[in-house]
Amino acid sequence: GQQLNQSPQSMFIQEGEDVSMNCTSSSIFNTWLWYKQDPGEGPVLLIALYKAGELTSNGRLTAQFGITRKDSFLNISASIPSDVGIYFCAGRNYGGSQGNLIFGKGTKLSVKP
Amino acid sequence: DSGVTQTPKHLITATGQRVTLRCSPRSGDLSVYWYQQSLDQGLQFLIQYYNGEERAKGNILERFSAQQFPDLHSELNLSSLELGDSALYFCASSGGTANSYEQYFGPGTRLTVT
Repeated sequence: GQQLNQSPQSMFIQEGEDVSMNCTSSSIFNTWLWYKQDPGEGPVLLIALYKAGELTSNGRLTAQFGITRKDSFLNISASIPSDVGIYFCAGRNYGGSQGNLIFGKGTKLSVKP
Repeated sequence: DSGVTQTPKHLITATGQRVTLRCSPRSGDLSVYWYQQSLDQGLQFLIQYYNGEERAKGNILERFSAQQFPDLHSELNLSSLELGDSALYFCASSGGTANSYEQYFGPGTRLTVT
């Protein structure tokens, strides 16, 4: 079935560092969404992307819809402790049933010991 | 607060039992989705309802069923529970005034089967 490859699986951050993560698909997507999930909570929508090449920011977060339509990137600038959590990408491909999204397995952000 | 509500927050039950999880979507949203998330796992799509009708099915077991009522709230029924069914169950909704592809998640129900 359809799969999204999200990387890295996990990473450690130090306050003030910039963070990058990405998602790739084997097929073309027409929508990319990025979510953040805190432990025991529901995922929260961070950014939605609808056009190839689109670059959208939400505070210190910036996400891009790759021009090949098969990938998306999320950057977090000047990370702070509350950025810790799991980030999921989600996409919808052409021909997918209405509203149905495919989720990546997540990138877990932790604080450097 | 996403506007999606789920009850109960926690549920502890024994193997073989049946439980019902409830979800109320955001005001105006017509679609409801159910997801299962096991420990350290991603989100597994179970089923989608749109305006009362089943729209899409994912990896939902035959022991599980769902429905969406005329007031658009939804229930997920889990029967003959097994230890492996212990997980977080999320409901999400979309549609209404927001782009229909943007799903908004509820706080989840943590199910523990003992």
